[in-house]
Amino acid sequence: DTEVTQTPKHLVMGMTNKKSLKCEQHMGHRAMYWYKQKAKKPPELMFVYSYEKLSINESVPSRFSPECPNSSLLNLHLHALQPEDSALYLCASSQPRGASSYEQYFGPGTRLTVT
Amino acid sequence: QKEVEQDPGPLSVPEGAIVSLNCTYSNSAFQYFMWYRQYSRKGPELLMYTYSSGNKEDGRFTAQVDKSSKYISLFIRDSQPSDSATYLCAMRPRGAGNMLTFGGGTRLMVKP
Repeated sequence: DTEVTQTPKHLVMGMTNKKSLKCEQHMGHRAMYWYKQKAKKPPELMFVYSYEKLSINESVPSRFSPECPNSSLLNLHLHALQPEDSALYLCASSQPRGASSYEQYFGPGTRLTVT
Repeated sequence: QKEVEQDPGPLSVPEGAIVSLNCTYSNSAFQYFMWYRQYSRKGPELLMYTYSSGNKEDGRFTAQVDKSSKYISLFIRDSQPSDSATYLCAMRPRGAGNMLTFGGGTRLMVKP
């Protein structure tokens, strides 16, 4: 099973709202990622968690707050977003550094619209 | 200059054609190479994963890596309308943690 699930599929929120995106995997992967993807562009890395610890933050604004409650779950908390934050938010997972393979598996994404 | 270059297309081919998708890169440290297929408004799906140079075949798909030329290819045989999607190449150096460098993606259209 190479499935990464994400909820919700679609989210519309106002600039003053607080919402969360959720991601789950049951492949035993210990690295999980958040990406942002704009139309006709490749995914842009936002955060990496390795063994439930934040290992990479790609200078993402503080209105995005990641959380990794356990090895299977990854959340992205959203607050005071801007319209330009509207995008497809992708979660991915892989074995961590030092493993025998590193391929990343992506979820279906959450399409976020900020009004 | 981008680290990974990929023609954005669109590439339009008739059903049954052999499709060749390519990426060039500048970082000679890249060792792991991946191809993802992404349907419109969906997440990327891992198609092929190769390490270093050589060929890898999986059904109708063949991935080729030529490290001397810094060039990777994905061939699709007997293309189907269901292959219509954007194809993203991605790569990373050995021992560089988990960060992938993506190409910009090539949009493929297979016409019945």
